[in-house]
Amino acid sequence: GAVVSQHPSRVICKSGTSVKIECRSLDFQATTMFWYRQFPKQSLMLMATSNEGSKATYEQGVEKDKFLINHASLTLSTLTVTSAHPEDSSFYICSVQRNTEAFFGQGTRLTVV
Amino acid sequence: AQKITQTQPGMFVQEKEAVTLDCTYDTSDPSYGLFWYKQPSSGEMIFLIYQGSYDQQNATEGRYSLNFQKARKSANLVISASQLGDSAMYFCAMSANFNKFYFGSGTKLNVKP
Repeated sequence: GAVVSQHPSRVICKSGTSVKIECRSLDFQATTMFWYRQFPKQSLMLMATSNEGSKATYEQGVEKDKFLINHASLTLSTLTVTSAHPEDSSFYICSVQRNTEAFFGQGTRLTVV
Repeated sequence: AQKITQTQPGMFVQEKEAVTLDCTYDTSDPSYGLFWYKQPSSGEMIFLIYQGSYDQQNATEGRYSLNFQKARKSANLVISASQLGDSAMYFCAMSANFNKFYFGSGTKLNVKP
């Protein structure tokens, strides 16, 4: 069964609104979760590392005020795309690591119109 | 810094034949893991195979095998007896100290009947 659950799988929003994406670790407690973004026909690019109980660590070039990450519990991390614009349209995917394995959520396809 | 390179944007293979997808990497970390994932059009990331940097033998998982050449920093994926359902994007990834993942640009595999 799924180890990581991501919701929603698809979302369409108007430009200027905010969208929240949830990532849940179902089988174990995850102190760290990872958020990736994938543009069409491109690879997954790490956006940030979500740390339970502390601030997220953002990769270079990722705006922390635009992509708000909250990791309030050991099983839930949320990514909020604030004031979304069409250029934020992308596939967002979270992952959780356990030992040598990484488990990915189903991904969220965000379309900003 | 970690870097993963996949030089084949697209590959074709005849059904039932074997195919090799190339991957080279660069890292200064002595301990790392190399992974291959399959991403069908649905977007989910499907784990295929893992190779640890200290593993002496090449990893195998069913029809998948990883040709690990540490001195050359390559970790090619070999798929034997290709099936139509193998058509997808394939990503090579590396994780140093089992932390965040870095992905290659991907190879789109098309299996011809």
